[in-house]
Order: sequence, then structure tokens, then C-alpha cells
Amino acid sequence: GAVVSQHPSRVICKSGTSVKIECRSLDFQATTMFWYRQFPKQSLMLMATSNEGSKATYEQGVEKDKFLINHASLTLSTLTVTSAHPEDSSFYICSASGGGDYGYTFGSGTRLTVV
Amino acid sequence: DQQVKQNSPSLSVQEGRISILNCDYTNSMFDYFLWYKKYPAEGPTFLISISSIKDKNEDGRFTVFLNKSAKHLSLHIVPSQPGDSAVYFCAASASFNKFYFGSGTKLNVKP
Repeated sequence: GAVVSQHPSRVICKSGTSVKIECRSLDFQATTMFWYRQFPKQSLMLMATSNEGSKATYEQGVEKDKFLINHASLTLSTLTVTSAHPEDSSFYICSASGGGDYGYTFGSGTRLTVV
Repeated sequence: DQQVKQNSPSLSVQEGRISILNCDYTNSMFDYFLWYKKYPAEGPTFLISISSIKDKNEDGRFTVFLNKSAKHLSLHIVPSQPGDSAVYFCAASASFNKFYFGSGTKLNVKP
């Protein structure tokens, strides 16, 4: 079945530094990747949608200069949290789709803690 | 504006009985629905999906029912097992565009 690998699973960084999270589709070509963030006691909130080879589309309220998304190949998308602050601490999850009725496959998530 | 709602934050069921998780949506353009299961500190795991051309989809112990006129989706788990204890999210999309998730229902299956 379709597998999406997300790394790292946990990361702790100092305030002001940048963190990169990778999302890889292992056995299919992901034409579209989605990045979500889970706030405490709330559902997953869509941050941005990226299509391979084009700029990501960000949801309202999401700072594109702070959350850099790169979808340079059909199997890899990265989310970079730049100049991280404690309020960026959260659970980030990617999902990927090969299009059509393939369905969506989620990564295992990354718990980011900014200290 | 929450387009997908799960009004029951938690549900407790005895092992062997049926678990019924409910989900309501407001957008009539939604045509594809998913149920996900999530354990703590892990990403969601896909369970079962249904497209709007169907009203029922069954996969083993899991069955999803779709009532388009009521804009209501439900997941039935029978028989329920302790390993089913997790948070269940429903999600909906229109033409495979972005997915909107409900806030989740925490299922506890008691041995």
C-alpha cells in the first residue's frame, strides 16, 4: 500500500533556529502534498497545499515566509519552520496523494518543541 | 467556520458491542469522505473511505454509512475490540481538494 515517511518524528530546537521536516512518498508519486498542524484539543488544520514543481498555496493566516514549503520532486516535500518560537511548538503532519481515487496517505507526524 | 463536525468528544463501549461514531458536514459539495484513527503522538491512520455515489462501504469490522440528504456520516465498528481505543476523525473533501477534518471522537473500548 501507499506509504508516506515523515522525519523527524520528534525535534527540540532553540528559539530563533530553523527546523526542516521531510515528507516522502515511498512507493508512489505524490502529485499533491498537504501540510497540517494540530493545535491542542482541535482538529488538524490545513496549513498549505503543494503541487510538485510549483509554489505552495497557503491557507489564510499561515505565514508563508515562516513556514517554507518545497515540493521539488514527486516523492519529497519539505516544511521548514524558520526562526522558530515557542508558539510554533505543535504536531505537524503531512499527507500525500497520487491523484484520482488513490486516497490520501498520512505521514506519522512530527512533534516540534521550541525551547 | 467548521464544515465538518463531530459532536461527541468521547464514546465508551463494551468489548464485543457495536461502536457508532457520528459526523456531520455542512458543505453539499463534499463528495469524498474518510475516517481516520489516531493513537497518541502518532499520525492519523486511514481506516475507510466512501464517495458520494455510495451510501455504504464495508471493510471487515468497519462500515461507513453516508446519508447525503442529512449530510451525515457514521462509522460502525462491530465487534469492538480494546485495540480500537483511539481518537477517530472524519474528514471530507470536494473533488479531492483539501480535506476538512472534524475535531475527533475518543473511543474507549472496555474489556
